[in-house]
Amino acid sequence: GENVEQHPSTLSVQEGDSAVIKCTYSDSASNYFPWYKQELGKRPQLIIDIRSNVGEKKDQRIAVTLNKTAKHFSLHITETQPEDSAVYFCAASKNDYKLSFGAGTTVTVRA
Amino acid sequence: EAQVTQNPRYLITVTGKKLTVTCSQNMNHEYMSWYRQDPGLGLRQIYYSMNVEVTDKGDVPEGYKVSRKEKRNFPLILESPSPNQTSLYFCASSHWLAGGGETQYFGPGTRLLVL
Repeated sequence: GENVEQHPSTLSVQEGDSAVIKCTYSDSASNYFPWYKQELGKRPQLIIDIRSNVGEKKDQRIAVTLNKTAKHFSLHITETQPEDSAVYFCAASKNDYKLSFGAGTTVTVRA
Repeated sequence: EAQVTQNPRYLITVTGKKLTVTCSQNMNHEYMSWYRQDPGLGLRQIYYSMNVEVTDKGDVPEGYKVSRKEKRNFPLILESPSPNQTSLYFCASSHWLAGGGETQYFGPGTRLLVL
């Protein structure tokens, strides 16, 4: 089955700096790559996603890039703010709807 | 309001006592799924359902059962709970379209402790 690895497991950044989280996947047939944000005690919520026919997607301060050849994708958060502190999960999926998640990255934004 | 609900939100039980966690969505989603979340392991899929009466195993189905008799409901059944099933459980739902990869909406979570 699909194996998704996520790095780093923890990330501490100064407010205003950028944060980058990287994920690799094993199944070349995967074609959908969402990112979820989970605040403490809350449910995961989709923040951005990308499909395999697109190399990059941006939404305000958040961007995701995909390298299909290397089978890795990354989340970029620019101008980080205290409310960006959360656990971020990457995931990968094929058409069969089995969604495989990475282990998560705990992001702390220092004021 | 579009939402996914789960009940109960918190549950303490003992080994071997059958329990059911309910999940309901009001968005007319075809696809529903159950995940468990454990520290350091992220979210792992237990079972999913593509539509009424269509279910399939995820990555960690052992010890769990599901049913999908109605489109809006997808209960998770633990016939004989064991301590290693202590976890935070999330239900999720989405539309299903050809080509896959639709946004999943998560319920609030059910925290289960099996003694």
